[in-house]
Amino acid sequence: ELKVEQNPLFLSMQEGKNYTIYCNYSTTSDRLYWYRQDPGKSLESLFVLLSNGAVKQEGRLMASLDTKARLSTLHITAAVHDLSATYFCAVDIFTSGTYKYIFGTGTRLKVLA
Amino acid sequence: GAVVSQHPSWVICKSGTSVKIECRSLDFQATTMFWYRQFPKQSLMLMATSNEGSKATYEQGVEKDKFLINHASLTLSTLTVTSAHPEDSSFYICSAPPGGKYYEQYFGPGTRLTVT
Repeated sequence: ELKVEQNPLFLSMQEGKNYTIYCNYSTTSDRLYWYRQDPGKSLESLFVLLSNGAVKQEGRLMASLDTKARLSTLHITAAVHDLSATYFCAVDIFTSGTYKYIFGTGTRLKVLA
Repeated sequence: GAVVSQHPSWVICKSGTSVKIECRSLDFQATTMFWYRQFPKQSLMLMATSNEGSKATYEQGVEKDKFLINHASLTLSTLTVTSAHPEDSSFYICSAPPGGKYYEQYFGPGTRLTVT
């Protein structure tokens, strides 16, 4: 069974601190996606990682992908309150003639002022 | 960038009635669209793949007769929840891959369904 697991599920951190969210997946996939979701809202695309070793950064967030380890990380640097949200990773699999997304369990982040 | 819209953004209906949710790709054509369901504080679960001009493909455990999907054109897919029950209350999100990037999906703003 294909699994995409995130760790931790919940994260409460102080402003200014650093932390990493991990995304492990059980299938062979060369692509991984990170999304942010605010309460009551849909998904906002953060990063699209397309190959092994890919690293992307945007502001205080940096994502990386290790396809051999089937692991992606989302690193938060000097967190601010505005980063409070739920973060999802997703991998795509090709099945039945199309690419489908399998989402991770999600990480609920709360940044405390 | 590619834009996907949904209508309505929220809907309340009574048990036993049917409700239709629309998903439109505004600036690109989508031969394939996806429908997800998200319960509170949970992840997104793929319900079905909507294919223009052919039948939808449903994920295991999703009732085809309850969740009717019609992909009427290259820019419109509809999800009809038939004989709705309170347990169908959820956040429904559609997505579509823009032309040329078959692996990347753009997500709609979601539809909050409440069945009373």
